[in-house]
Amino acid sequence: EPEVTQTPSHQVTQMGQEVILRCVPISNHLYFYWYRQILGQKVEFLVSFYNNEISEKSEIFDDQFSVERPDGSNFTLKIRSTKLEDSAMYFCASRPRQGTYEQYFGPGTRLTVT
Amino acid sequence: AQSVAQPEDQVNVAEGNPLTVKCTYSVSGNPYLFWYVQYPNRGLQFLLKYITGDNLVKGSYGFEAEFNKSQTSFHLKKPSALVSDSALYFCAVRDTTGRRALTFGSGTRLQVQP
Repeated sequence: EPEVTQTPSHQVTQMGQEVILRCVPISNHLYFYWYRQILGQKVEFLVSFYNNEISEKSEIFDDQFSVERPDGSNFTLKIRSTKLEDSAMYFCASRPRQGTYEQYFGPGTRLTVT
Repeated sequence: AQSVAQPEDQVNVAEGNPLTVKCTYSVSGNPYLFWYVQYPNRGLQFLLKYITGDNLVKGSYGFEAEFNKSQTSFHLKKPSALVSDSALYFCAVRDTTGRRALTFGSGTRLQVQP
């Protein structure tokens, strides 16, 4: 069964550094998402992406964040200058097509900012 | 704004007994409702959804959920719990009129005792 994959599984970085989290959505899915979960808190929506552009973003997704689909398979989340409060589990998700509603999640990348 | 409440941090049930994990929601339009399960070191796995139609929806692994519009609830149920059902369960909602991204509850840890 096809799965969303994410790399790395764990990333440790210093405050102020740039990080790129990578995701490979399920092939032929059209809608892509990033969520995050700070330890002990809810899963929170960051951004959705469709047709090579952002379709929706939350108030969390400020100018420090960007997303890209550089080729036909990868979907990346970049944090330009990490802060301590960016430490969280970051989940990528994808959805096949309009008219389907469930999203399929990857295993997550644990980002630790020191 | 849409929101989800899962009032129980943890539910304990004996193997073979029925289980219920509670969820209530708030949306401005009609809801699309979802249940996801998270096993240790894994991503969120889709269990079931309510979009429209029958209030009782059936999903993976013998789980079902009942949509109750008047009580704005979408409780997850299973007639006979298995030890392997022990995991973290998340309820999520998507508004049909507002934000299209999923809003998650805080999660309920299900512990099934042998």
